[in-house]
Amino acid sequence: QKEVEQNSGPLSVPEGAIASLNCTYSDRGSQSFFWYRQYSGKSPELIMSIYSNGDKEDGRFTAQLNKASQYVSLLIRDSQPSDSATYLCAVNKPQAGTALIFGKGTTLSVSS
Amino acid sequence: SAVISQKPSRDICQRGTSLTIQCQVDSQVTMMFWYRQQPGQSLTLIATANQGSEATYESGFVIDKFPISRPNLTFSTLTVSNMSPEDSSIYLCVYRLNEKLFFGSGTQLSVL
Repeated sequence: QKEVEQNSGPLSVPEGAIASLNCTYSDRGSQSFFWYRQYSGKSPELIMSIYSNGDKEDGRFTAQLNKASQYVSLLIRDSQPSDSATYLCAVNKPQAGTALIFGKGTTLSVSS
Repeated sequence: SAVISQKPSRDICQRGTSLTIQCQVDSQVTMMFWYRQQPGQSLTLIATANQGSEATYESGFVIDKFPISRPNLTFSTLTVSNMSPEDSSIYLCVYRLNEKLFFGSGTQLSVL
């Protein structure tokens, strides 16, 4: 079982729609969860972090965490073409100190 | 957040040679990591660069192949030794600030 799993996509949504990205993780000891966005040829950039069960909202982005189900999601409301990118779910790996383990990423395409 | 300078940004190397990648941070950071991202893949943690001691390697990565130095809290190098085409990848220097990771611009390595 992979440590962090995401659907690779592509996920295609029309402009203005809600994009829903999902991630599952295997290590129950993980405590920190992150969503990164990566444009082609660029380094990842942090979008959101979440540490507690429930929802965390930041502008058009909402992260959801369910530790019992080992599930993290990212909702993007009012999707824009500029949101088209690969979204990486990352989870801390307790055995590796403070390093993060990344999923393969989900490619999102927002059409205008 | 501190600024990371990573070089070279890209290189094309011959099989069997070695390449050293340098990472300079403009302030002292405790935790530094080296990741790679192979074409179409996600980020894979190579090792944690420990200041003043040997790096901690993840499963599948060994010191003889990927020697790492971390002489102080602002600088680290990663050497890719005895390269083969399978080493073609983007290599990323990363530091941690609080719970978040910040990425260098990456080194795109192509091995012929």
